[in-house]
Amino acid sequence: DADVTQTPRNRITKTGKRIMLECSQTKGHDRMYWYRQDPGLGLRLIYYSFDVKDINKGEISDGYSVSRQAQAKFSLSLESAIPNQTALYFCATSDPRTETQYFGPGTRLLVL
Amino acid sequence: GDSVTQMEGPVTLSEEAFLTINCTYTATGYPSLFWYVQYPGEGLQLLLKATKADDKGSNKGFEATYRKETTSFHLEKGSVQVSDSAVYFCALLNAGGTSYGKLTFGQGTILTVHP
Repeated sequence: DADVTQTPRNRITKTGKRIMLECSQTKGHDRMYWYRQDPGLGLRLIYYSFDVKDINKGEISDGYSVSRQAQAKFSLSLESAIPNQTALYFCATSDPRTETQYFGPGTRLLVL
Repeated sequence: GDSVTQMEGPVTLSEEAFLTINCTYTATGYPSLFWYVQYPGEGLQLLLKATKADDKGSNKGFEATYRKETTSFHLEKGSVQVSDSAVYFCALLNAGGTSYGKLTFGQGTILTVHP
């Protein structure tokens, strides 16, 4: 089984709708991250969490919110989706001992 | 703030050709440097890393050397295969200040290898 799973894998929604992307990990790490990937821009950090009680904004947090329900679960919400939030979204977890990040397979989101 | 710049892509090579993807960075202190690879339809996975100056990271025939004097971490492979076709990301992790625990990525370089 995959160490980091994301649901859904693909989602089409309409402008103004609220949607949630979910992430679960089985690696037992405290640190989790949400990124978005756009062509030519690499990955940009939306939010990150170093433990269940710690939530931090990344470089592009406007229009997004997160919830850390447990060590293994970290959800990303778009409160009112807009077309420029169309992107590929990745969840990741990291091991501070090795500084390695482990990524989920991604959620492809299309906002019409 | 920290930043990573990769060479413009896409890069198209024939099988068994030599590969270089340039990466330079700007950061305070002593960051760790990484190359991540993204195969079609998948998430990113660590390819190699180096944690201090002059370290060489290597994996699957790929190599990169941490050059502090030129702030570079160029990725090389002597003979590429079709299966190496992917997007390659250079990244840095700065353990200090407000960057603690966060990766900064380059924009990615698309590599296509033809038979």
